Amino acid sequence: EAGVAQSPRYKIIEKRQSVAFWCNPISGHATLYWYQQILGQGPKLLIQFQNNGVVDDSQLPKDRFSAERLKGVDSTLKIQPAKLEDSAVYLCASRSAGGFTDTQYFGPGTRLTVL
Amino acid sequence: AQSVTQLGSHVSVSEGALVLLRCNYSSSVPPYLFWYVQYPNQGLQLLLKYTSAATLVKGINGFEAEFKKSETSFHLTKPSAHMSDAAEYFCALSRNEYKLSFGAGTTVTVRA
Repeated sequence: EAGVAQSPRYKIIEKRQSVAFWCNPISGHATLYWYQQILGQGPKLLIQFQNNGVVDDSQLPKDRFSAERLKGVDSTLKIQPAKLEDSAVYLCASRSAGGFTDTQYFGPGTRLTVL
Repeated sequence: AQSVTQLGSHVSVSEGALVLLRCNYSSSVPPYLFWYVQYPNQGLQLLLKYTSAATLVKGINGFEAEFKKSETSFHLTKPSAHMSDAAEYFCALSRNEYKLSFGAGTTVTVRA
C-alpha cells in the first residue's frame, strides 16, 4: 500500500512570496490533515478535512494560509504572502473513516525556508 | 483543555541500556494516547497507542508504554537501546475529535 505522498520535499522562498504544497493521501482515506512543525516543536494541526469538507480550521492563519481538497482526494496548502515565521516542516496525514482511534499516517513533509 | 508534556527534550543512552521517555497528560475526559517516532527527514510513524483497553501497551521495535491514570502519565520504554533507535519521539493525545495534540518531542541519542 502506497503511503502519503507530498511534494515538493524542500522549498526556499523570499518573504512575501507565495508557495503551495501538495498532498496525496492513502487511497480511500476520508480524513486528511495538515500540520505545521516548527523546529524544536511538535506538530500543530492547521486544518482537518473530512472528504472535501473542512472539519476544523481553527488554527489556520486565514489571512495568509488557505487549503482545499477538491474531489475529496488530493489537497493543496497555500501561503500567500509568506513570512519568516512560516519556516517549518508542513506535514500531511490521512486516516481511514473508522473509529476515532484509528491511526493517522504521515507523509515525509515539505520543509519550507523563508528568507 | 487537553495537553501533553514531555519531560526532557534530549535523552542520551548507551547501546543496550534502558530507554525511558516521559510523557504526562492533562485531559478533562479519558484520553487516547499515542507515541510516534520521527527519523531525520521523514514523517511520523506510530509506535503504539492506548485506547482504554490494556494499560500496558506493546508497540513496534520492542517499545512499550504504560498508562497510569493516577499519575496522568504514559511513559515509553525499551529494555535495550539499539543504534537504530536514535530519532525524535513524540507523545500525543486525542479525545473523540479525531485530532492529535502533540508534545514538544524528545530527541534520543544512542552512544556506542
